[in-house]
Amino acid sequence: DQQVKQNSPSLSVQEGRISILNCDYTNSMFDYFLWYKKYPAEGPTFLISISSIKDKNEDGRFTVFLNKSAKHLSLHIVPSQPGDSAVYFCSLFGNEKLTFGTGTRLTIIP
Amino acid sequence: GAVVSQHPSWVICKSGTSVKIECRSLDFQATTMFWYRQFPKQSLMLMATSNEGSKATYEQGVEKDKFLINHASLTLSTLTVTSAHPEDSSFYICSALDRVVGQPQHFGDGTRLSIL
Repeated sequence: DQQVKQNSPSLSVQEGRISILNCDYTNSMFDYFLWYKKYPAEGPTFLISISSIKDKNEDGRFTVFLNKSAKHLSLHIVPSQPGDSAVYFCSLFGNEKLTFGTGTRLTIIP
Repeated sequence: GAVVSQHPSWVICKSGTSVKIECRSLDFQATTMFWYRQFPKQSLMLMATSNEGSKATYEQGVEKDKFLINHASLTLSTLTVTSAHPEDSSFYICSALDRVVGQPQHFGDGTRLSIL
């Protein structure tokens, strides 16, 4: 039973436009929600997080939105850059554990 | 720079060999580290939580006698894949919980294990 779902396995966005990555979850018992970026054969790199008590967090080009009633999380990247091309994982941290989504491969088209 | 160092990055060995993977936190003390496994095009699956000075907590379906975890110091956790077989071939990644930040932000670069 997948607790964290990223329903779009891939996404292509034109350079300079906004990239929106989505994540849905089922279990509400989480403390933080985190987004990671991952290149092949490397470990995930932390991007941005949001506490379960907030609904928005912004850091430079990255903004994460949390809709607790819908159990939905999204990451906005604007403007998108070619270096943003990678696999993005949303993850939920609770009970001292991280649970990962299945990932979305983002491709930025120059 | 990297705050979690994982070594080795790539291992190729014969079936039946035991392989040890190290995970070190460089800039902080990590009382808790995590070990994950990732199959191609799949998500990272938590294998076990490693706590300094105590026994690791394994996730359901992970054989603790197969995947031995030792967390003897605040900066080092090791995962030993005992008597590895081809089905153990995978990408293993560790992460460390930074309690000052309160979130597991730091991952190692992973170890690609290939069993022939």
